[in-house]
Amino acid sequence: DTTVKQNPRYKLARVGKPVNLICSQTMNHDTMYWYQKKPNQAPKLLLFYYDKILNREADTFEKFQSSRPNNSFCSLYIGSAGLEYSAMYLCASRLGFTSAETLYFGSGTRLTVL
Amino acid sequence: GDSVTQTEGQVALSEEDFLTIHCNYSASGYPALFWYVQYPGEGPQFLFRASRDKEKGSSRGFEATYDKGTTSFHLRKASVQESDSAVYYCALGDSNYNVLYFGSGTKLTVEP
Repeated sequence: DTTVKQNPRYKLARVGKPVNLICSQTMNHDTMYWYQKKPNQAPKLLLFYYDKILNREADTFEKFQSSRPNNSFCSLYIGSAGLEYSAMYLCASRLGFTSAETLYFGSGTRLTVL
Repeated sequence: GDSVTQTEGQVALSEEDFLTIHCNYSASGYPALFWYVQYPGEGPQFLFRASRDKEKGSSRGFEATYDKGTTSFHLRKASVQESDSAVYYCALGDSNYNVLYFGSGTKLTVEP
């Protein structure tokens, strides 16, 4: 099974409220990623976990948190949602760090902040 | 920093037309280059990769050649089908292969 699962498929949130998105994979991949995708823009890397080590991009460091309680699950947490957080959030996983290893993506969670 | 540029936001073709989607990159060192395809309602999925100059990657009739001289990795297909309609992303892997950086994507629509 090469599936990355994301829940929920659609999420509505209010400005100022927290948001938690969930991702899971059963491929025993050691690396999991979160990307943010807005219309007409490239998927933007937010952060990734290699095993239990979290790496966050410098420009989104304070906006997003994440946790990985075990190898299969990874969450993306927004403490206080703003309108600018409305986007598709894509989770991906990969085994290893060589160029031979491809990313497997989930179908995404579309977050709308009102 | 590393980046990828796709100049065409949308491409509309008829079946059996020839396809070219342009991809140029900017990176230090020798990045790996990728093409991913995203069908409606799904996440992006790996199409193929190339890791060194002049290497050709290919899959499902699509191909691209790594050109370090022109910093390009253009996607081509000789004869497109309606089922090829999707969004195509060019991407590069950083020198440590920790992350992939994506272009903004090109939406391909193929009319029957």
